[in-house]
Amino acid sequence: NAGVTQTPKFRVLKTGQSMTLLCAQDMNHEYMYWYRQDPGMGLRLIHYSVGEGTTAKGEVPDGYNVSRLKKQNFLLGLESAAPSQTSVYFCASSYPRARNIQYFGAGTRLSVL
Amino acid sequence: KNEVEQSPQNLTAQEGEFITINCSYSVGISALHWLQQHPGGGIVSLFMLSSGKKKHGRLIATINIQEKHSSLHITASHPRDSAVYICAVPVRATNKLIFGTGTLLAVQP
Repeated sequence: NAGVTQTPKFRVLKTGQSMTLLCAQDMNHEYMYWYRQDPGMGLRLIHYSVGEGTTAKGEVPDGYNVSRLKKQNFLLGLESAAPSQTSVYFCASSYPRARNIQYFGAGTRLSVL
Repeated sequence: KNEVEQSPQNLTAQEGEFITINCSYSVGISALHWLQQHPGGGIVSLFMLSSGKKKHGRLIATINIQEKHSSLHITASHPRDSAVYICAVPVRATNKLIFGTGTLLAVQP
């Protein structure tokens, strides 16, 4: 049982380049989330999805796009990377209740030069 | 003021010590989560609790809903407990979580 899998684990981009981070979960969870984690700050929600084909903005959505074409996958895209997007990105998934536990991936460390 | 605040931010302990990490929140909640993040690693959920106390091995989590405060205790601490411990609370009537900034714990042998 893999849980939540993120690819890639590490990436270095130049300013202006684009990339897509992939999150896959095998727990049949309805809800999926993308967070970023920066030093001295708590995890911040970028975008989330409450089901296949639906996405919504979180706390810090600017500069990112997402898609949820399949229930098990949630993609995070950076169209034109900026140094401010240097961060560690975490994907999570959960069942559709606020009290339910979110299961996290191992994270993607992204550096934008 | 952050809605979820943790203390201390950093904590160094000697192996075997009893450790307490605190979490205070300002929003009304139905439950609170404690998570663990190992250096360079992913994030694992330790507890989700809505009242009283929960225990898992050497870890104990307590919550006082009236005082809006939770504590995570580690008994007989060990170097492998070294990690960042994060508390999080759900935003009422949503599926979102608000996270504290974490407590970095280092347990020295």
